[in-house]
Amino acid sequence: QKEVEQNSGPLSVPEGAIASLNCTYSDRGSQSFFWYRQYSGKSPELIMSIYSNGDKEDGRFTAQLNKASQYVSLLIRDSQPSDSATYLCAVSVTGGGNKLTFGTGTQLKVEL
Amino acid sequence: SAVISQKPSRDICQRGTSLTIQCQVDSQVTMMFWYRQQPGQSLTLIATANQGSEATYESGFVIDKFPISRPNLTFSTLTVSNMSPEDSSIYLCSVEEATGFYGYTFGSGTRLTVV
Repeated sequence: QKEVEQNSGPLSVPEGAIASLNCTYSDRGSQSFFWYRQYSGKSPELIMSIYSNGDKEDGRFTAQLNKASQYVSLLIRDSQPSDSATYLCAVSVTGGGNKLTFGTGTQLKVEL
Repeated sequence: SAVISQKPSRDICQRGTSLTIQCQVDSQVTMMFWYRQQPGQSLTLIATANQGSEATYESGFVIDKFPISRPNLTFSTLTVSNMSPEDSSIYLCSVEEATGFYGYTFGSGTRLTVV
């Protein structure tokens, strides 16, 4: 079982719709959760972090965490073509040397 | 967030040679990380580099193949030694930030092609 799992996609949504990206993790000691956006040929860019159960909103982005279900998600409201990228879920485990474990990423395509 | 300068941005190297990648941060950071991203794949951690101590390597990565230096709190290098075409990847350095916000920032990456 992979430590961090994501659906590879592509996930296609029309412009203006809500894009929902999901991630599950296996280590119950995971404490910090991150969503990165990576455009083709570029390095990952941090867009959201979440540490506690519930929702965290930042502009058009909402991260949701459910530790009991070992599930973290990212919602993108009013999706724009510029949101088309690969979204990487990353998890860090307390006591694990602060290192991040990444999922394989979900490719999002926002269509006009 | 920290600004990370990574160089070279890309290189094409002959098999059997070595390449050293440099990572310079504009602020002092305790932990620096080196990742590899193979074509179409996600990021895999190679090693964690702390200043003043030996780097800690992940399973599947060894010091002889990927020696790392960390001479101070703002700089690190990763060498890819005795390269083969399988080493063709993007190599990324990353730092953990705990000032202003908590997260991990990445350098712009080094795209390595081994021929």
